[in-house]
Amino acid sequence: QLQLQESGPGLVKPSETLSLTCAVSGDSISITRYYWGWIRQPPGKGLEFIGSVYYTGSTFYNPSLKSRVTMSKDTSKNHFSLKMTSVTAADTALYYCARRGDASSTDAFDIWGQGTMVTVSS
Amino acid sequence: QSVLTQPPSASGTPGQTVTISCSGSSSNIGRNTVNWYQQLPGTAPKLLIFDNYQRPSGVPDRFSGSKSGSSASLAISGLQSEDEADYYCAAWDDNLHGDVFGPGTKVTVL
Repeated sequence: QLQLQESGPGLVKPSETLSLTCAVSGDSISITRYYWGWIRQPPGKGLEFIGSVYYTGSTFYNPSLKSRVTMSKDTSKNHFSLKMTSVTAADTALYYCARRGDASSTDAFDIWGQGTMVTVSS
Repeated sequence: QSVLTQPPSASGTPGQTVTISCSGSSSNIGRNTVNWYQQLPGTAPKLLIFDNYQRPSGVPDRFSGSKSGSSASLAISGLQSEDEADYYCAAWDDNLHGDVFGPGTKVTVL
């Protein structure tokens, strides 16, 4: 059974870089037909797509965050990562990692991690 | 401001049917499939409907989805207290090259 687990610092200072990792267990992140993505949810608000990395390594980012976001995957560790630079209080949110099937499968985020809260504050 | 539009709230009594609408454009819902996610209080979102109307294993058939043009809807029939949650529609957007989510609809069981 596939499981995803986010990890990273819960507190980041303004202007610094937020770094999160999503550990995948139960299957390999190298399998075809899947994207590995990040979605965030500010307190009391809705979901926002941050970006995803396809099994080929291609990345897709939310245009509003693209200049500050980098995603990568490490097949040897079976995890994928998110880096967001120059954070501000507006980046305070619950960050979820999730698996997304491509158009040949579910074409949806079908497995989600439990989420990790990141607060941006000095 | 979300690319997709949903009503902020919906409600019904147990047993009733509640319908949630989701409106988009030709670059997202108009060209791609719609997914719906259920987020129970204090939990991560869960895939409820994919490919406009398909239900993942384990999702009751009380939940149904449909799509027409650039709009979609989610219907919850036989409403139950455990259906109280936030519901989000989503779709891939060809112009933004990524997924877009609706603002969410809070369903209350009266």
